[in-house]
Amino acid sequence: AQKITQTQPGMFVQEKEAVTLDCTYDTSDPSYGLFWYKQPSSGEMIFLIYQGSYDQQNATEGRYSLNFQKARKSANLVISASQLGDSAMYFCAIPSGNTPLVFGKGTRLSVIA
Amino acid sequence: DADVTQTPRNRITKTGKRIMLECSQTKGHDRMYWYRQDPGLGLRLIYYSFDVKDINKGEISDGYSVSRQAQAKFSLSLESAIPNQTALYFCATSDTASGSLYNEQFFGPGTRLTVL
Repeated sequence: AQKITQTQPGMFVQEKEAVTLDCTYDTSDPSYGLFWYKQPSSGEMIFLIYQGSYDQQNATEGRYSLNFQKARKSANLVISASQLGDSAMYFCAIPSGNTPLVFGKGTRLSVIA
Repeated sequence: DADVTQTPRNRITKTGKRIMLECSQTKGHDRMYWYRQDPGLGLRLIYYSFDVKDINKGEISDGYSVSRQAQAKFSLSLESAIPNQTALYFCATSDTASGSLYNEQFFGPGTRLTVL
């Protein structure tokens, strides 16, 4: 079964700085993907970025990028030029084959002005 | 209009009551999911359905049941609510038609349930 670990319960970052949110995973499947979701205080789950295990290039979506290191089984989310609106919970999640997503426990990011 | 809707958005009930949470989607997706979120525990899967005739238990199905009335509707029932079922409940959908194995899940706005 897949397992996701997010070791940082909370993080602080200064506005306009970059921040890295850690995510490690454990799966025995040779083919899988990695998702990151954002949950602001309003509660909705917002998809941010995805990368498949066979993708050659690290995924990038605007200010979000994935630092995907398969050998270390880590898929860290990098947010560049942090904004106050980035303050939220961030969840890493992994599906594998036909199975639904398994979520980590999340990291609460606080952006300081 | 939202693609994935959940009703009610908030509900307060008493121990022992039967509660139904409803989820509807207009995305045409075949797969639907129910999660609960507790502080510090992330999202945990309760039940999921890959099509109308398919229902599967998730990580924490005890005390819950589901019904997939149509492709667009997936209901979660608490037969006899208890206080530790107080949580934020999310419905989500995904699509296999795109051909991707690793389908993004689209979440509803959540239902905040309090059991007194």
